[in-house]
Amino acid sequence: GAGVSQSPSNKVTEKGKDVELRCDPISGHTALYWYRQRLGQGLEFLIYFQGNSAPDKSGLPSDRFSAERTGESVSTLTIQRTQQEDSAVYLCASSRAVSGANVLTFGAGSRLTVL
Amino acid sequence: KNQVEQSPQSLIILEGKNCTLQCNYTVSPFSNLRWYKQDTGRGPVSLTIMTFSENTKSNGRYTATLDADTKQSSLHITASQLSDSASYICVVSARNNAGNMLTFGGGTRLMVKP
Repeated sequence: GAGVSQSPSNKVTEKGKDVELRCDPISGHTALYWYRQRLGQGLEFLIYFQGNSAPDKSGLPSDRFSAERTGESVSTLTIQRTQQEDSAVYLCASSRAVSGANVLTFGAGSRLTVL
Repeated sequence: KNQVEQSPQSLIILEGKNCTLQCNYTVSPFSNLRWYKQDTGRGPVSLTIMTFSENTKSNGRYTATLDADTKQSSLHITASQLSDSASYICVVSARNNAGNMLTFGGGTRLMVKP
């Protein structure tokens, strides 16, 4: 596609439920990032995928968070047993490669509200 | 620890006025610095990217400067428009092979009033 597509755009869930967020990167972009942005806050790194290499999971805040990516295509971010503190916008970004001056292209984000 | 600090946190200016946003970083080894604009409810969009050897770069009414010695960058907006109201994020990239080599600043929230 022309841009990074994320779904759902908005998700309201009850505390304790699991949620799955989806990211479709730009075709040909080998690098994919997930970030979390709480209201009025900066971007917080969660996880990074590069091709078939092992993902960098160093930003995941707890074992309730996990992410998968199939090859160089779609990625899903799963949050299990959601807590109110998980309420945030989850942004996905992709780029052609990890190094150099490659620019990240961001999706519009998935806004998660945990009641 | 790599850090990026932006100032001011928020700024209100009148339409037509100029403004300058600041970014200080302690990222090493430095690779490049990018400014992104994030409209409310949207993902960030790249404005400029600057490498070590570049001192200034313009993109329309946006001009970014970089002083690699003092590790400071600024984003100057000329003749502001209402559509400039957004968050401006400074992102510094470290020169290594790790995936998480990007350090994000907290952003400056700019509001342009008529």
